[in-house]
Amino acid sequence: GENVEQHPSTLSVQEGDSAVIKCTYSDSASNYFPWYKQELGKRPQLIIDIRSNVGEKKDQRIAVTLNKTAKHFSLHITETQPEDSAVYFCAASIGSGGGADGLTFGKGTHLIIQP
Amino acid sequence: GAVVSQHPSRVICKSGTSVKIECRSLDFQATTMFWYRQFPKQSLMLMATSNEGSKATYEQGVEKDKFLINHASLTLSTLTVTSAHPEDSSFYICSSTGSSYNEQFFGPGTRLTVL
Repeated sequence: GENVEQHPSTLSVQEGDSAVIKCTYSDSASNYFPWYKQELGKRPQLIIDIRSNVGEKKDQRIAVTLNKTAKHFSLHITETQPEDSAVYFCAASIGSGGGADGLTFGKGTHLIIQP
Repeated sequence: GAVVSQHPSRVICKSGTSVKIECRSLDFQATTMFWYRQFPKQSLMLMATSNEGSKATYEQGVEKDKFLINHASLTLSTLTVTSAHPEDSSFYICSSTGSSYNEQFFGPGTRLTVL
């Protein structure tokens, strides 16, 4: 089955700086790669996603890049703010893509924004 | 986005009892529902996928006789943890998607504590 590795497990950055979280996946058939933000005790919130036919996607301060050849994808957050502090998970799914297939999650990154 | 609810939000039970968790899609028809489990400070792990009117598909290592899933309608799926034990204590999160969507919508989660 699919295996998703995520690094780093903890990331501390100064407010205003950029944060980068990286994930690799094992199954070349995966074609949907969402990123979720989860606050303690709450549900995961989709912040951005990318599909295999696209190499990069951006939404305001958040961007995701995908390298299908190398089987890795990254989350970039610019101009970080205190409210960005949370646990971030990458995920991958195989099949028709989008929401119709179960997700394999990375282990998560605890992002800490230092004021 | 679409709204998914879960009930109860928190449950405490004695070892050996069974607990039922409900997952509802409030404003759309959920053709597929997923059940995930999240242990403290860990990632989400897919337990099973259920399609309305069909038997659930369980992930490797998940006991189907212990975690009973019923998806009898397009708006409701239930997860019953039978003969619960302390090691079943976890955060159980459902998600669902519909034919008009290409992402999963997560419920708020159910915190299960087995004494």
